[in-house]
Amino acid sequence: AQSVTQLDSQVPVFEEAPVELRCNYSSSVSVYLFWYVQYPNQGLQLLLKYLSGSTLVKGINGFEAEFNKSQTSFHLRKPSVHISDTAEYFCACSNDYKLSFGAGTTVTVRA
Amino acid sequence: DAGVIQSPRHEVTEMGQEVTLRCKPISGHDYLFWYRQTMMRGLELLIYFNNNVPIDDSGMPEDRFSAKMPNASFSTLKIQPSEPRDSAVYFCASSPRTGVKNTEAFFGQGTRLTVV
Repeated sequence: AQSVTQLDSQVPVFEEAPVELRCNYSSSVSVYLFWYVQYPNQGLQLLLKYLSGSTLVKGINGFEAEFNKSQTSFHLRKPSVHISDTAEYFCACSNDYKLSFGAGTTVTVRA
Repeated sequence: DAGVIQSPRHEVTEMGQEVTLRCKPISGHDYLFWYRQTMMRGLELLIYFNNNVPIDDSGMPEDRFSAKMPNASFSTLKIQPSEPRDSAVYFCASSPRTGVKNTEAFFGQGTRLTVV
């Protein structure tokens, strides 16, 4: 079985500042890793995913994440956030056909 | 493609009533998932189907919950009888992969269920 821990439940950040959302996973086998974003009253949308290959993954809206096998982490970063990045962000992992989600991190971007 | 379509978007019902949530997955997707989202428990996988067959229903909380997928383009999640603690947002998601273990799931907008 695999699981995901998101280390921060809430992250307030000022507009144009960088942000990092932390995610650690636990699995006895190789996993695939994902970051999803949920805007208010919306479904989840895929930001990026790591399947194999390069450990630095670039996604939509200027987000990127780095897979670190030794630290079992998959942290999400954006160098400069916008007000529109205010949302909840979910890290997820999978090694079969179903996703296991973290508890989510709420990002609030202030002007 | 219109994406995963769920209906209704909002449902308010009285305790004890039957509730049916509906989902139309993306055409051609082989996997369909039902998730429940609450503040207390986050996102929980309830059940998933592969080619219309239920594969894992270990997340279904009680016998009051049931799910069906009569064909590749339609699935239902039923709660009978409903209880206030069932209040949550229920998401349907579908995935295009069969035989490849990278499950990028595409989510619907969700159904917000309130049981009073």
